[in-house]
Amino acid sequence: NAGVMQNPRHLVRRRGQEARLRCSPMKGHSHVYWYRQLPEEGLKFMVYLQKENIIDESGMPKERFSAEFPKEGPSILRIQQVVRGDSAAYFCASSPAGPISGNTIYFGEGSWLTVV
Amino acid sequence: AQKVTQAQTEISVVEKEDVTLDCVYETRDTTYYLFWYKQPPSGELVFLIRRNSFDEQNEISGRYSWNFQKSTSSFNFTITASQVVDSAVYFCALSEASGYGQNFVFGPGTRLSVLP
Repeated sequence: NAGVMQNPRHLVRRRGQEARLRCSPMKGHSHVYWYRQLPEEGLKFMVYLQKENIIDESGMPKERFSAEFPKEGPSILRIQQVVRGDSAAYFCASSPAGPISGNTIYFGEGSWLTVV
Repeated sequence: AQKVTQAQTEISVVEKEDVTLDCVYETRDTTYYLFWYKQPPSGELVFLIRRNSFDEQNEISGRYSWNFQKSTSSFNFTITASQVVDSAVYFCALSEASGYGQNFVFGPGTRLSVLP
């Protein structure tokens, strides 16, 4: 039963480096969501993608952050020139259709980014 | 815009006690969906339940039960005879039938500690 797969689970980066987080959705799911969870805080929406399309990126910081979901391969959340404030857990979720259909979104186990 | 409130930041109970986690939501849509997720200390997010706005029937699953009341815009979660393994952060979420990814919104979470 392959759920949402995220890697790496833990990533340590020095300030100024780039972080790449990968997410493979559940089989049959073509909608991917990225959320960020800062320490001791709730989940904040970042971006919603379908294959080759960014549908809603209203939660993404304007600089240094980007996301893609190519036709082949996993979705990638990329953080350039990381700063300490980027240290957080990044969760990917997927669903077979968009929120309009009321589909449940299923989460991966998260990627914990630590910036030193 | 929709909103989810979980007024209880932290709750502590002794094992075998019953505990209710509150969730109050705001939405202008007549069609919407409500969810509960559990985040145990290991960090992953586990889907517990999904409810649509047209189904006000309460649901029971083992020691878990959910009380959905449209009149008070609440979707409360009760754990009966709590166990230490129930210790986790619990998130309530709302998805509207209109709109995009931003419309899957989480409450701030309630941290439940069940003491032996």
